[in-house]
This record gives sequence, C-alpha cells and structure tokens, in this order.
Amino acid sequence: DVKVTQSSRYLVKRTGEKVFLECVQDMDHENMFWYRQDPGLGLRLIYFSYDVKMKEKGDIPEGYSVSREKKERFSLILESASTNQTSMYLCASSPGQGRNTIYFGEGSWLTVV
Amino acid sequence: DAKTTQPTSMDCAEGRAANLPCNHSTISGNEYVYWYRQIHSQGPQYIIHGLKNNETNEMASLIITEDRKSSTLILPHATLRDTAVYYCIVRPTNSGNTPLVFGKGTRLSVIA
Repeated sequence: DVKVTQSSRYLVKRTGEKVFLECVQDMDHENMFWYRQDPGLGLRLIYFSYDVKMKEKGDIPEGYSVSREKKERFSLILESASTNQTSMYLCASSPGQGRNTIYFGEGSWLTVV
Repeated sequence: DAKTTQPTSMDCAEGRAANLPCNHSTISGNEYVYWYRQIHSQGPQYIIHGLKNNETNEMASLIITEDRKSSTLILPHATLRDTAVYYCIVRPTNSGNTPLVFGKGTRLSVIA
C-alpha cells in the first residue's frame, strides 16, 4: 500500500513562529503536493513538486515555501506563521510517468494563536 | 478537469449497498473517472478509478455508463465506518503532475 506520512497530526504555534510541516512517501513517487483545506473553500493547492529540487507554485503560495531535497520528502515551511494560516494541511503524492492516482496523507491540523 | 455533479447527501442502512451517482456529461474521451472519500478530520482516501469499463477492487465497484456521461460508485455492504464525503472527479489520462480539484461531493451517512 502507498504510504504518505505527515510528521505532525496536531500543532499549535504562535504568530510569527517559523513552522515546518514534513511529509514522506515510501513509493518512489515523482510528484508531491501540499494542499490546505478550509471549511467552505475545499482543497486549495499551495505548492507542488515534480522532481527533486523542483517546485511549482499552486493557487495560494503566498506566505509559504517548500523544500524537496530528497525524492521521498517534501517539506512545507511557514516563514512567519499568521492566524489566517490556521488550517488543515494535506500532503499528497502521485507516481508520475502517466500514472496519475494521487494519494494523501492523514493531514496536519495547524492552529496559529 | 470536466465538471461533475453529485447529490449533496445520501443515507444508507448499515449492511446494505450504497450506490453513489455522479454525472459527468462533458467528459472527454481521454478522461478517467476517479472516486475519493474523506472521513471527518482525515485526509482524502483514494477508492477506485476507471476509463470506460466497470472496475472492482477490495473497497468498491465502479459502474460507468456506455456513453460515459455518468457513473455509480457501489459500496456493496456499507458499514458505519463508510460514513464520509465521497468525491467524484474526472481527469485526463495525461494529467501528469496536475493537482486534483475536488467539488463538494456527496455526504454519505450510514445508519445503524
């Protein structure tokens, strides 16, 4: 089975803190994604990556950055957390090379106070 | 991605089959039908996908009409743990790294 693991399930951070959300997949997938999900707004794409050290902006990249130093790991960074970044963050991956099924992690609930 | 239409909510008795419909009348010839579900407070879970033939796996069956304009996800023996929001999505076969776009889905409530 495909496994996408997000390092933290629940976090509480203070405004202005730097926040790291880690994601690891164990199926050698090429593509990895970070979404956030908010009530009434559905899933919104923050960033995605189709290869090591490659990244592309999604629909809402402002206030976020990402890092993909190794194929299996995709990190989301909030440089200076703000209360409007309180949300559920979802990491996902897909095999690439014409195989397009996307698999999600369990989600990380971030509260910024 | 082609637009899909699903009922907002459905109920199903525990142990009975749950049949979730989806309309995708503007689907193109190179687009797959995907189904995901999201249980409260968890990440979306992949269920099944198909192009034009019916598909079955350990979780569900997918029935696609001959004209491909609609499909039905079947959970053969629904349990309380199947209570979730179910999303029907269509995506091109060559979508590569294109991210998913979820609609509002169908909220399935399995009742004891």
